[in-house]
Amino acid sequence: DGGITQSPKYLFRKEGQNVTLSCEQNLNHDAMYWYRQDPGQGLRLIYYSQIVNDFQKGDIAEGYSVSREKKESFPLTVTSAQKNPTAFYLCASSTNTGTGEQYFGPGTRLTVT
Amino acid sequence: AQSVTQPDIHITVSEGASLELRCNYSYGATPYLFWYVQSPGQGLQLLLKYFSGDTLVQGIKGFEAEFKRSQSSFNLRKPSVHWSDAAEYFCAVGDGNQFYFGTGTSLTVIP
Repeated sequence: DGGITQSPKYLFRKEGQNVTLSCEQNLNHDAMYWYRQDPGQGLRLIYYSQIVNDFQKGDIAEGYSVSREKKESFPLTVTSAQKNPTAFYLCASSTNTGTGEQYFGPGTRLTVT
Repeated sequence: AQSVTQPDIHITVSEGASLELRCNYSYGATPYLFWYVQSPGQGLQLLLKYFSGDTLVQGIKGFEAEFKRSQSSFNLRKPSVHWSDAAEYFCAVGDGNQFYFGTGTSLTVIP
């Protein structure tokens, strides 16, 4: 079955630690995205990538980093510089950036204490 | 920058009643428009999309949406709501570069 996987489903970290969220897709999509979701704020774009080895900052990139070494993978690192990292993180992919519909993973809920 | 407004934060309807969720967007050209649904703690699932052509589009689960250029709207409708439709609904617009999402409308269905 084609789709997007995110792991783990729940993640707990201590303040000051970096943490990496995994996102893998087998849809052969060129574009991949990371969103942050907080209650009442919808989805906010963190980073997106249109092609391997290239990515762009979204609206709230500060405190986050990404890599795109393979077409299938787009991991997100939440660094200790992110002031309020506790949130629900969603990964998505699409055939075309900003035009084709997005396919979403099940999300990772990160809790930092 | 593009923006999407969903004026209704929360809507409650009775099972079997009709439903309309509002979405307004700000974009200069013809946008790519989407409606997604999200169950608690899950990812988003595409309900329907509009790229061009017929302004009334049909989606999954009995949903439809109408694109009205003059009103910059893309409202989602369903003639008869089922209890399983209770979820969060997001409208989104794509500009060829990235996607922009509304803040969502939470739907409660009363038996």
